[in-house]
Amino acid sequence: DVKVTQSSRYLVKRTGEKVFLECVQDMDHENMFWYRQDPGLGLRLIYFSYDVKMKEKGDIPEGYSVSREKKERFSLILESASTNQTSMYLCASSPPGGISYEQYFGPGTRLTVT
Amino acid sequence: AQKVTQAQTEISVVEKEDVTLDCVYETRDTTYYLFWYKQPPSGELVFLIRRNSFDEQNEISGRYSWNFQKSTSSFNFTITASQVVDSAVYFCALSEASGSARQLTFGSGTQLTVLP
Repeated sequence: DVKVTQSSRYLVKRTGEKVFLECVQDMDHENMFWYRQDPGLGLRLIYFSYDVKMKEKGDIPEGYSVSREKKERFSLILESASTNQTSMYLCASSPPGGISYEQYFGPGTRLTVT
Repeated sequence: AQKVTQAQTEISVVEKEDVTLDCVYETRDTTYYLFWYKQPPSGELVFLIRRNSFDEQNEISGRYSWNFQKSTSSFNFTITASQVVDSAVYFCALSEASGSARQLTFGSGTQLTVLP
């Protein structure tokens, strides 16, 4: 079974702090994704990566950056956390190829910025 | 305009009732895929089904069934004889050939509550 793990289930940070959210997958997937989930808005893509050191902006990249130094690990960075970044963050991975593959999700990190 | 619309924000049913979750999508592509995911209270999205745009056959898996109709751009999900364990948020998603080959566009989700 594909396993996607996220470093924390719950995180509380203060405004202005630098925040790292870590995601690791164990199925050698090329593609990895970071989403945020907010009530009434569904999942919105922040960034994704299709290879080591490669990244592409999603729909809402502002205020975020990412890092992918190893294939299995994809980090989301909030350079200076703000209260409007309080949300559920979900990481996902998928095999390479076209549009037919489903994504496999981690359990999510609920981030609260105070 | 939203590419994937789930108009039902919340649905509440009593156990053993049938329930249908609606999904309407928008795309100009002829090749695309539609997905349904379930998000139980634990938070992890679980893949349920994938359907490509060339296959309009309905699908049944146990108590779950899916009705794909290209004429109405809909991909609805029915749970027959619902159970309390079906309580979750359900997301419909679209993957298009013209977009990035890796992106899914999600609807806003439908919270289903099944009461005992």
